Amino acid sequence: DSGVTQTPKHLITATGQRVTLRCSPRSGDLSVYWYQQSLDQGLQFLIQYYNGEERAKGNILERFSAQQFPDLHSELNLSSLELGDSALYFCASSVDRGSGNTIYFGEGSWLTVV
Amino acid sequence: QKEVEQDPGPLSVPEGAIVSLNCTYSNSAFQYFMWYRQYSRKGPELLMYTYSSGNKEDGRFTAQVDKSSKYISLFIRDSQPSDSATYLCAMRPRSSQGGSEKLVFGKGTKLTVNP
Repeated sequence: DSGVTQTPKHLITATGQRVTLRCSPRSGDLSVYWYQQSLDQGLQFLIQYYNGEERAKGNILERFSAQQFPDLHSELNLSSLELGDSALYFCASSVDRGSGNTIYFGEGSWLTVV
Repeated sequence: QKEVEQDPGPLSVPEGAIVSLNCTYSNSAFQYFMWYRQYSRKGPELLMYTYSSGNKEDGRFTAQVDKSSKYISLFIRDSQPSDSATYLCAMRPRSSQGGSEKLVFGKGTKLTVNP
């Protein structure tokens, strides 16, 4: 158990809908990262938040947004869903107090868009 | 050219074999190198973590980094069926405090160890 908690574990929704994925980082970790994993693309970095502020942005679509709350949990919002958004969405966290830290992943949220 | 290249396999070996997994990369700024193991539909689990060049050993696992060749390896000795998983290499440059520690991943190599 990495200590990173993600909900829901599985989600099936229709095209055009909106979903919210939730992540609780490891105790003491200030950074939260969101990754998307699909069969053909591998693990793709979406976005990072550090202590409530956006720190880095990757291949995140405009239909997607995220935030990190004062208690450090994070939410990833996916809207106007398309079939191609079906994937595993991982949250990861790290202490992020300078170099030498690495990140630990949650078990993922499996999103199926039908 | 992708920043990190990894042969997706699949790789199938008999139990007890020595397994060699590799990644190449193009960004010379990468300083931290990791190997993650991912079982089917589970989160990636950190296996090995090395800084800069050199070797690191942990039980049956050895990680090697050759920065001059931009090449990293993971060796698994006496492989077991429980080692069957997808192995992902990951790397990132040195970051300052509060900087991003975003990892760049290879696509993963699927390994099957047959009893």
